This record gives sequence, C-alpha cells and structure tokens, in this order.
Amino acid sequence: NAGVTQTPKFRILKIGQSMTLQCAQDMNHNYMYWYRQDPGMGLKLIYYSVGAGITDKGEVPNGYNVSRSTTEDFPLRLELAAPSQTSVYFCASSYGVAGARQETQYFGPGTRLLVL
Amino acid sequence: DAKTTQPPSMDCAEGRAANLPCNHSTISGNEYVYWYRQIHSQGPQYIIHGLKNNETNEMASLIITEDRKSSTLILPHATLRDTAVYYCIVRVSNTGGFKTIFGAGTRLFVKA
Repeated sequence: NAGVTQTPKFRILKIGQSMTLQCAQDMNHNYMYWYRQDPGMGLKLIYYSVGAGITDKGEVPNGYNVSRSTTEDFPLRLELAAPSQTSVYFCASSYGVAGARQETQYFGPGTRLLVL
Repeated sequence: DAKTTQPPSMDCAEGRAANLPCNHSTISGNEYVYWYRQIHSQGPQYIIHGLKNNETNEMASLIITEDRKSSTLILPHATLRDTAVYYCIVRVSNTGGFKTIFGAGTRLFVKA
C-alpha cells in the first residue's frame, strides 16, 4: 500500500491565484482530514470528511473548500490565495471512530505552499 | 473540549529513557489519549494510545495516572533518530465525526 499520498510536494502561488491540493489514500479509510501547519506551530484542522459525499469544517476552514466524491480522494481547494495561507498542508486518513485503534490517523508527506 | 498541556522542549541523553509528560485535566471518561510524533518536515506518526491502563508497544510505553488527568510517554532507550516534536492528543468527539486537536507539542532533543 502507498498509504496517504499528496501532490504537489511544493508550490508557489501568486496572490489571488487558485489551486487544488490533491490527497489520496489506498487503505479504504472512511475518514480523511486536512491540516495546516505554520512554522514552529502545531497542526490545525481545516476540514474533515467521514465518508464520500460528507464533509465538515474544522478549526480554520475560511479560504478553503473540499469535496469527497470517492472514498480514496479528498482534494483541498484554495480559491483566492492569500499570503496568510503560506503553510505546510498535511492530509490524513483513519478508519473510523468505533474503537481507538481505528481512530489512528495516517499522514501524508505534506505539501509546502508559498503565496507571494 | 479536553485540551492538553506539554512542556515546550526537553533534552535527553542518547541511550537513556525519555519521559515526556502531558496534562489533560479536563479529559472525559470515554476519551482516549494518543501520542504522535513529527520528525522534521515529515507528516506526524502514530506512536501509542491508551484509555485507563498502561500500554506498551515496540516504540514506547504510555503511563496514565489513575485519575486520568495526566500521562507520560516513555521512550526506553532514546536514540538520535527520536529527536522530534511529540504531540499528546485527547480525542474530541462530535456528532458525525470527531476533531483531533494538535497543540504545540514537546520538542525532544536527543543528544549524543
């Protein structure tokens, strides 16, 4: 299994541009998550999904959109990039909530985004 | 929502045990304690979790106090590769899903 994969690894955007960060998992996990991590800080949850067609906001959803059309994929969309969105973005997945081991999250390698 | 408090940084000598504390005084009865770590620039990695009893796996041991208000992650023989940020997390439940709150964590420096 490849686990959780993310593309691209690094991207530079101009203010006002848009882009989609891709995330895919091959573990048949129900839950998927998007986090951002600013330099020297912990992770903050942007959005999460409990299954195909179902998404919900996390701590810092403003400026982002998500969709979940399949179990495997959970793309994150930035519509109008701003310097405040310069960060490292991590995607994660987990099996579910029924039991602690199934809630363990598996993380992708991250996407580094710079908005100038 | 239950929150955690960890020291910002700790040092440990290579080959010695690293004991990382975490306070979670508002934890509720059905919430688990999870530990993850993040080695520089990589995605966080699961280490261990527990509810009430002490737990051990191939990576670490987790000691949870009887009142569950604090816990300690133990790396029995720290190596240089264990230098990382360690996150103590309490799972927060929400209808239809859950939200995991990652704090600032403890930056562990293992020194030769």
